[in-house]
Amino acid sequence: DAKTTQPPSMDCAEGRAANLPCNHSTISGNEYVYWYRQIHSQGPQYIIHGLKNNETNEMASLIITEDRKSSTLILPHATLRDTAVYYCIVRPYFGNEKLTFGTGTRLTIIP
Amino acid sequence: NAGVTQTPKFRVLKTGQSMTLLCAQDMNHEYMYWYRQDPGMGLRLIHYSVGEGTTAKGEVPDGYNVSRLKKQNFLLGLESAAPSQTSVYFCAISRRRRNITDTQYFGPGTRLTVL
Repeated sequence: DAKTTQPPSMDCAEGRAANLPCNHSTISGNEYVYWYRQIHSQGPQYIIHGLKNNETNEMASLIITEDRKSSTLILPHATLRDTAVYYCIVRPYFGNEKLTFGTGTRLTIIP
Repeated sequence: NAGVTQTPKFRVLKTGQSMTLLCAQDMNHEYMYWYRQDPGMGLRLIHYSVGEGTTAKGEVPDGYNVSRLKKQNFLLGLESAAPSQTSVYFCAISRRRRNITDTQYFGPGTRLTVL
C-alpha cells in the first residue's frame, strides 16, 4: 500500500472550514484514498473515500489533485465534536485486507 | 459503531492468563478483522476473516488465535497473556462486493491491561 504523509496536528476555529492535507505521492492507479477519524480512543469512524474525482457526503468533502499525489479533507463548518485524530489511508481497489493506519493528524477545534 | 459490538469493554489480566474477546455483528457482512492500537500509534491488523470458517494472519498475529465458527461472530484468543499485549483491541467488518474493496466499520473497542 502507498504511504501517506499528514501534519501531526492542526487547529481550526469553531464554525470555520477545516482543511486537512494528505500527501500520497506513491499512490498507484488502483488505490483509493480513504479518510477515517478517531474521537478520544473510540473506534475509528469512516468519513469518505474517493478514487480520482472529488467526493462529498453529509460529513465532508474530499478533494483529490489531478495527479492524485495529494488530497484534502474538508469539514465545511467545524464543531467542537470534530476534535479527533484524522487518518488518511490509501488501499487497493481489489482485495479486502488491512487498512494501514499511520499516526494521522490531531485536529483541535477551538471555541 | 452501530451493528458491531465487542465484549468485554475492559479487562485486566495477569501474565499467563488466557481470555477470549468477542466481536459480534448484525449487519451480515462477510469480512471481519481484529486490530490492536497501542498508545499514540495507529491501528495494526492482527487477524482477519473473509468468511465463516476461514481466517488469515495480519501483520502482528503472534500470540493470538482466532476463530469464525459463525458468520456473525469473530473471536480473538490470548492463550498466555503477556504485558506486551496491553492494548486497545478493535474489531471491524466490511462487505464483499465482488472483488471491490469496501469500507470497514469499527466496533467500540476492548481495553485490555496485562499485569
